[in-house]
Formats: sequence, structure tokens, C-alpha cells
Amino acid sequence: DIQMTQSPSSLSASVGDRVTITCRASQSISRYLNWYQQKPGKAPKLLIYAASTLQSGVPSRFTGGGSGTDFTLTISSLQSEDLATYYCQQSDSLPLTFGPGTKVDIK
Amino acid sequence: EVQVVESGGGLVQPGGSLRLSCATSGFTFSSHWMHWVRQAPGKGLVWVTRINDVGTTSTYADSVKGRFTISRDNAKNKLYLEMTSLRAEDTAVYYCVRDSHSSGMDVWGTGTTVIVSS
Repeated sequence: DIQMTQSPSSLSASVGDRVTITCRASQSISRYLNWYQQKPGKAPKLLIYAASTLQSGVPSRFTGGGSGTDFTLTISSLQSEDLATYYCQQSDSLPLTFGPGTKVDIK
Repeated sequence: EVQVVESGGGLVQPGGSLRLSCATSGFTFSSHWMHWVRQAPGKGLVWVTRINDVGTTSTYADSVKGRFTISRDNAKNKLYLEMTSLRAEDTAVYYCVRDSHSSGMDVWGTGTTVIVSS
């Protein structure tokens, strides 16, 4: 199975800050990497697929990058509504696996 | 509006069975592969199972293989998850999720809660 790790596990930042979350796969997954946002008490929402393609309706302050084993999710200017846990997920091979999540708090 | 709505969760004793349903609307159900993803209380997301668009191929996480069965009825636009031999560690919110043709899991339901406890 492909193991996914994320760092940091949590962070606290101010509105307007640039925030970067890192996701690493235990083996190369090309660009088969998706990012999800889960707000407290809500279902996850797809933010980015294929490592860097923004899902329709997602604000442009979210960007994804990377390939192979190392990936990033960047929020260019953190907003209060971005308070959530962010998960990466590989879709290269079964079983599909998620990272453990990064909880983003607003200072 | 594209929508998936889960139902069928509840409290069940260890060793018991439960059948989850997912009613879909607003899209061509028979064109999409579908997943079940679960989330234990306070924990992360875990993929459970996937079925292809015509219902002929399914794959399972090792943790549920042989105990859970995914199925679909394309005439009714519904997805199912039959769960047997339930264990305490199966306690979770179960999400019905649409696969967007290799572009991520793009439609999620609000989830249905399964609690396995005596």
C-alpha cells in the first residue's frame, strides 16, 4: 500500500498569511494526488485534483504543486473561512489512501 | 443539483449486520464509479470500497474484505453497502462519494453514522 504523510499535523496562522502544507507519498505516484478540505462537522470537499488542477468553484488562493513523491498545497492569503482540516489522497493505485490530515487554525 | 444522500446507519451489536444506502440525483449515476469512505470519531478519512460504473467490478480495503459488499442499482440510481460481522472498529461516519473519472472524489454526501457497540 502507498503510505501518505503530511506536515505539519497542525498549524495556526493569521488572516492574510501564506500557508503551505506538504504531502509525501511512500513511492512515486506521478501526479495522481488530490486535496480535500473538511470543515468542522462537515463532509470533505474536493479542492484540487491531479496535483495542481483547481476544482470548479474553489477560490484561486488555493494552489497545488508537486509530482512523484512530494506535493504541496498553498493558501496564498489565509481567510477565516479556511479553518479546516486538509487531506491529501493518492489515486495512483489501490487501495486509495489518504494522508493523516493537517488542521489549520486561525490565530 | 448534484446530490448523494446516505441512509441506513445506526447502532448495531458486534457481529451484527447493517445495510447502508445512497440515493443519488442530478447526474448520470450509471456513468460514474462510486466509493464508500469512512471516518472514525476524531480520526482521518479511510477509503473502504469502490465499484465500477456498471457494477461488475469492486475493490475493498483489507480491513473490510470478506465482510462488506458494495453494490449498485443503476435503474434506481442507488448505491449500497452491505456490512456484516461488524466490529467496534467499524464505528464511523460512512460517506457515499462520486468518482469524477480520475479527477478526484468530487461529490460527497453528508454521511451516515454507524456505531458498533453492545
